[in-house]
Amino acid sequence: EIVMTQSPATLSVSPGERATLSCRASQSVSSNLAWYQQKPGQAPRLLIYGASTRATGIPARFSGSGSGTEFTLTISSLQSEDFAVYYCQQYNNWPLAFGQGTKVEIK
Amino acid sequence: QLQLQESGPGLVKPSETLSLTCTVSGGSISSSSYYWGWIRQPPGKGLEWIGSIYYSGSTYYNPSLKSRVTISVDTSKNQFSLKLSSVTAADTAVYYCARLIMWLGLDYWGQGTLVTVSS
Repeated sequence: EIVMTQSPATLSVSPGERATLSCRASQSVSSNLAWYQQKPGQAPRLLIYGASTRATGIPARFSGSGSGTEFTLTISSLQSEDFAVYYCQQYNNWPLAFGQGTKVEIK
Repeated sequence: QLQLQESGPGLVKPSETLSLTCTVSGGSISSSSYYWGWIRQPPGKGLEWIGSIYYSGSTYYNPSLKSRVTISVDTSKNQFSLKLSSVTAADTAVYYCARLIMWLGLDYWGQGTLVTVSS
């Protein structure tokens, strides 16, 4: 069973600044890693799949990198609508697993 | 445009069985490209994958819930369902249904439904 660990738990960033979120898998998940954004009262939205491919309609300021056990989500210049909780999730093996989330808040 | 909609009781008594249905519209649940799944989120907490099903009926469950979970599919109604038995207050959560593509992740989600376990 793979455990996903995200850091930090909370990230305080000013609008226009860069945000870097980390996700670590307890064993290799190859590139079968997705990132989701969740805003209050909404369902999660798929941002990145295959560790680095943006989903349909996702702005270019969102980028993902990594493979194996170490992954990063970068938001190059934070917009007001980007303040939310972000989750990573592995789909390389059953059971699927989410990280515990990183909250990106306004500094 | 694919849409998923959860339905079921919003209040369940402790020790009883939680039952939810996800209705899929705008696409076929019988496509060989997709799995269908349930995810939950307790108030103020993170996401927890409950389990997934293939249209053929093959199922995959979270080991921590496996003894209490049953997921089934009804291709004639384009629906899949969740049953969680012997619920406690710890099962209070927003329950989401979603489509899973094994090379992409969970690309379509329902809006979620809050289920409260209380007497």
